Order: sequence, then structure tokens, then C-alpha cells
Amino acid sequence: AQSVAQPEDQVNVAEGNPLTVKCTYSVSGNPYLFWYVQYPNRGLQFLLKYITGDNLVKGSYGFEAEFNKSQTSFHLKKPSALVSDSALYFCAVRRYNTDKLIFGTGTRLQVFP
Amino acid sequence: DAGVTQSPTHLIKTRGQQVTLRCSPKSGHDTVSWYQQALGQGPQFIFQYYEEEERQRGNFPDRFSGHQFPNYSSELNVNALLLGDSALYLCASRSAGLTDTQYFGPGTRLTVL
Repeated sequence: AQSVAQPEDQVNVAEGNPLTVKCTYSVSGNPYLFWYVQYPNRGLQFLLKYITGDNLVKGSYGFEAEFNKSQTSFHLKKPSALVSDSALYFCAVRRYNTDKLIFGTGTRLQVFP
Repeated sequence: DAGVTQSPTHLIKTRGQQVTLRCSPKSGHDTVSWYQQALGQGPQFIFQYYEEEERQRGNFPDRFSGHQFPNYSSELNVNALLLGDSALYLCASRSAGLTDTQYFGPGTRLTVL
């Protein structure tokens, strides 16, 4: 069965510091991995995805993520956090032959000035 | 270029009633998926429509049904509403390539009293 784990309910970081939001996954075959961000009372906004190729993926708003097959992880990172990055972040996985995204439970990122 | 749009924004119904939610996909997209996001949880896949047919379905009862129109827009119908159906309902669309990203709309907040 496919699953996604986001082990931290909340991550707190000071503005200007690097941030990491963790994600591990379980799926048979090659995974398609995604990060989405959700602001209050809003839908999900796409940040980045890994399909194949370079393990380091760069996305919107300065975010990047590293695919690690041996650790089955896809952690989201940003070198310098902004207060405006404060939001709910979701990691998701799907198999290559389906549209069904499996989401984690989300990690709330709080960036303090 | 308009993104994914959904209507209505909010909806209040009582137990036992029926509801219809609407989605217009992003321009150039022909595949629509629906997700249910309960409070404090990640979205869960309901079903996907392509070429006016339901192609994939998640673990949701038959009370949840849908439709896709020739212009690729879609409806989600829920019959015999239960209190537990209260959630944010998200529509996502993508173009034909399976590696393509699903883009989400702002959602419809359904409250069942």
C-alpha cells in the first residue's frame, strides 16, 4: 500500500534561517513525488515535483527538495526562510499509472520575524 | 489564463440532503480529479474523470458520484449527506500526460448540520 509520512506536525524557524520539512514515502515501483502548500482557506498550490532524473529538484518561491531512494525520503528545503512562507505543507506520492495522489497529514511551517 | 475554478465557495446543508459541487479545469486540461479534505487532514482521492467517464475511484461510497461534460468541466454529487461529509472539497485538473502536475482549485467548503 502507498503511504506518506510527515513526522512533524509543526516546524518553527526564524526568518533568514534555512528550513527543512521532512517527508518519507512508501510505494511500489518508481514514485512520483510532489510538494504542495496550502494557505488558510485556500486550495493547494503546487511547489515542485520529482518524476525522474536529477535527485535535487528546484521549485517555486526558492524551494527545493531532494529525492533519496535509499531512505525513501523527499525532504523540502529552503536556504533562507521568509515570514510569508508560513503555511501548511503537504507531501504527496503517486504511482506512475494513476492520478491518485496519496497525501501526508501536513506540516505547519511557522516562520518568526 | 484562468486556473482551476470551483463553485460555490461555501455551502451549508442538512443531513439527508443532496449537494452538487462544480469545477472548471485549467485551460488546456482534460482530466479532473476530486479530493475530500477533512479538517486537520490531508486530501483524500475520491475519483477521476477523463473523456466523460470515471476512470479511477478511491475508497468512497456510492453516495459520491460525478460527471464530466464535453467542455471538460465536472460535477461532484453527494447524496444522503452525513455529518461526516463536512469537509473542503478540492478539484484538480491536469493535461493528458501522466507525468503532468495536478493543479488544484480553491475548494468548496461543505458544512453538514
